[in-house]
Amino acid sequence: GAVVSQHPSRVICKSGTSVKIECRSLDFQATTMFWYRQFPKKSLMLMATSNEGSKATYEQGVEKDKFLINHASLTLSTLTVTSAHPEDSSFYICSASQVDTQYFGPGTRLTVL
Amino acid sequence: KQEVTQIPAALSVPEGENLVLNCSFTDSAIYNLQWFRQDPGKGLTSLLLIQSSQREQTSGRLNASLDKSSGRSTLYIAASQPGDSATYLCAVLGAAGNKLTFGGGTRVLVKP
Repeated sequence: GAVVSQHPSRVICKSGTSVKIECRSLDFQATTMFWYRQFPKKSLMLMATSNEGSKATYEQGVEKDKFLINHASLTLSTLTVTSAHPEDSSFYICSASQVDTQYFGPGTRLTVL
Repeated sequence: KQEVTQIPAALSVPEGENLVLNCSFTDSAIYNLQWFRQDPGKGLTSLLLIQSSQREQTSGRLNASLDKSSGRSTLYIAASQPGDSATYLCAVLGAAGNKLTFGGGTRVLVKP
């Protein structure tokens, strides 16, 4: 149990386009989901906390207009990278919370050309 | 603000040796501490979760200890195997909320 999926697993896009990443909790309902970003050989940095039906809470330094988060249901949260640029290239990982444990998705590798 | 540090950043050992990975955190007001494994380009696999009231957890060859008062946790991997090669991350869940703070990770290479 407690499986979290992400789609797509890998995406390559041109600079200036927008990219949407989906995070789904497959076998449980998650009122809270989290989005992390990971640079090569670095640890995970929390970007935002997403609560179902309300606006996401962004960490300091994360542009909310750049990284749009929608948590429309108890099993789905989406992260949209708007007007992507090469510096947005990174590994994005989501997690879904059940009680006091976060379950992590497999990650999405974004490459912006 | 919670800060989590992992030492060493990288570790290379011959197969069969025991691994000792260290994690320290600055704020002892934690809810739990978790150890993860990450393979290159992959997501996180949870290895062990220690609640703040516990002192250790064991799973197979893995043992994790927690000393909350001194802000330290240690992950022991007995009789290492090449398949143990990965990055190991520790993360603490703050008592005040549900935010996980990650350490920088330890990259482990077990040589056959």
